[in-house]
Amino acid sequence: AQRVTQPEKLLSVFKGAPVELKCNYSYSGSPELFWYVQYSRQRLQLLLRHISRESIKGFTADLNKGETSFHLKKPFAQEEDSAMYYCALMGAGNQFYFGTGTSLTVIP
Amino acid sequence: NAGVTQTPKFQVLKTGQSMTLQCAQDMNHNSMYWYRQDPGMGLRLIYYSASEGTTDKGEVPNGYNVSRLNKREFSLRLESAAPSQTSVYFCASITSWGETQYFGPGTRLLVL
Repeated sequence: AQRVTQPEKLLSVFKGAPVELKCNYSYSGSPELFWYVQYSRQRLQLLLRHISRESIKGFTADLNKGETSFHLKKPFAQEEDSAMYYCALMGAGNQFYFGTGTSLTVIP
Repeated sequence: NAGVTQTPKFQVLKTGQSMTLQCAQDMNHNSMYWYRQDPGMGLRLIYYSASEGTTDKGEVPNGYNVSRLNKREFSLRLESAAPSQTSVYFCASITSWGETQYFGPGTRLLVL
């Protein structure tokens, strides 16, 4: 069964510190994985997807098929990074599965 | 482009009442989705429509019905609202190649 797991509901880091938001998945095929972000009072928006291998706002995420992980990383956290982050998997038929989300707080 | 729009933004219902949440997109996307967002539960897919004229159940379809009225519009109906349906509802649509999912601003629903 398809599943996306984000083990941390809450994560706090100091400004300038590295941050890593964990995401693990289970999927029988070749998944397409995404990170979405929701800033306070805003709609969800795409942060990055593994296919494009981009770095958005300093964030990167590497798909590790052996560990079935797609952790989101940033070397130096900024206050504006405080938000809710969702890991998502797109399966067959463009059906999406979201994790439960991690609320990131960057402490000044 | 307005992107994905949803109406209403906020609604209060009494148990047993019915209502329809409206969603429209002007990006010519084929696939559209309805999610609910609950604290600690993340986003859960209620229904989705891969193309005009088709709809499929997601993870939590019970108590909901949907209509893909045309390519632009995808509505979600609660026939008999229950307090367990208190949530924030998001509509989304996706580009043809599944590159990016665009979300609406959400509808906050309170069922008393």
